[in-house]
Amino acid sequence: DAGVIQSPRHEVTEMGQEVTLRCKPISGHNSLFWYRQTMMRGLELLIYFNNNVPIDDSGMPEDRFSAKMPNASFSTLKIQPSEPRDSAVYFCASTVASAYEQYFGPGTRLTVT
Amino acid sequence: GQQVMQIPQYQHVQEGEDFTTYCNSSTTLSNIQWYKQRPGGHPVFLIQLVKSGEVKKQKRLTFQFGEAKKNSSLHITATQTTDVGTYFCAGLSGGADGLTFGKGTHLIIQP
Repeated sequence: DAGVIQSPRHEVTEMGQEVTLRCKPISGHNSLFWYRQTMMRGLELLIYFNNNVPIDDSGMPEDRFSAKMPNASFSTLKIQPSEPRDSAVYFCASTVASAYEQYFGPGTRLTVT
Repeated sequence: GQQVMQIPQYQHVQEGEDFTTYCNSSTTLSNIQWYKQRPGGHPVFLIQLVKSGEVKKQKRLTFQFGEAKKNSSLHITATQTTDVGTYFCAGLSGGADGLTFGKGTHLIIQP
């Protein structure tokens, strides 16, 4: 199994631009999570899906952030417009069910200038 | 909302010394998980504890879950350079909430 796949691995963009991060979970996993990691705030849960349905999006910082999971094998996290304070590493993780161990992808390092 | 506090934030040890990180939750947890993140890497699952007072061992690592299911600890005996990284606890309180991660303890080992 290839594990959780994220793309791109690195993204550098200018303030105001739209950014789309992509995630392919492990086949057969029913829950998918998006996290943001910074030195200041640590690892924060942004949103998670069960069976492609968003369950908890209380961690999404503001309306500039949106996430979708159109099918069981693909999810996107979009930031529009991006701001320098969005610079962070964004991880996607998947699991069989929300109470079980999570498998993290390699992350996308986003830099907004 | 649920908060998970983890201490210390940083720990410097000499190779061969022991290391312990502590995790405390503001609410009772249904389970607690521990993850390790190597520098530049992603969190990797180590173990899950579910029962009150549970103790689990993985070679030199010992994990404990408190009797009240609100605290946990990870102890590493005789640290090695391969133990370098950040150790996170993550608590699940049940319901619809996902895991809440602590801020992690950064373990730095001096040879």
